[in-house]
Amino acid sequence: EIVLTQSPGTLSLSPGERATLSCRASQSVSSTYLAWYQQKPGQAPRLLIYRASNRATGIPDRFSGSGSGTDFTLTISRLEPEDFAVYFCQHYGTSVITFGQGTRLEI
Amino acid sequence: QVQLQESGPGLVKPSQTLSLTCTVSGNSISSGSYWWSWVRQPAGKGLEWIGRFYTSGSPMYNPSLKSRVTILGDTSKNQFSLKLSSVTAADTAVYYCARTTVTMFLDYWGQGTLVTVSS
Repeated sequence: EIVLTQSPGTLSLSPGERATLSCRASQSVSSTYLAWYQQKPGQAPRLLIYRASNRATGIPDRFSGSGSGTDFTLTISRLEPEDFAVYFCQHYGTSVITFGQGTRLEI
Repeated sequence: QVQLQESGPGLVKPSQTLSLTCTVSGNSISSGSYWWSWVRQPAGKGLEWIGRFYTSGSPMYNPSLKSRVTILGDTSKNQFSLKLSSVTAADTAVYYCARTTVTMFLDYWGQGTLVTVSS
């Protein structure tokens, strides 16, 4: 089973700054099956990025995804106050969907 | 607009079976274009995929829960359901249903329902 490890666990930044979140897979994975989600307190996760680099419908262009193999990155170019949340990466492989443990982005 | 809504008891006794239903609107679960998943999240923790349902195939389950999980669909009501047997306190979580694409990302989610396992 592939394990996704996200880093850092918590990222403390200010509005206007750039955020870089990492998701590392325990073995090489297809970027076709790599996604990112945002979750705010009391809300369901929201799909941000699919296929490693494609923004979901309605997602601002300050969000971008990149990576391949075992290393994937979610970048938020200029943080807005509403971006402070928890972010999860997700992968599908061998019939199983797995999530990373999450990165908390805080002010 | 696709919408999903979870429903079911908020309190289940240990050793009993947790049963939840997800009602889908704006998309037919029998269209064959999507899978339909359940995901759970214990308070303050991460997301755990439970399993997924597909009208034209066999459901797929998380190996760690497979022996206790059943996911079924009711196309006449445009609903799918989750049954988790022999529950313990470790099964206490917010349970989400979600639409799942062919490349297995979850693009629409219900708002979630808290299920507490306690006597």
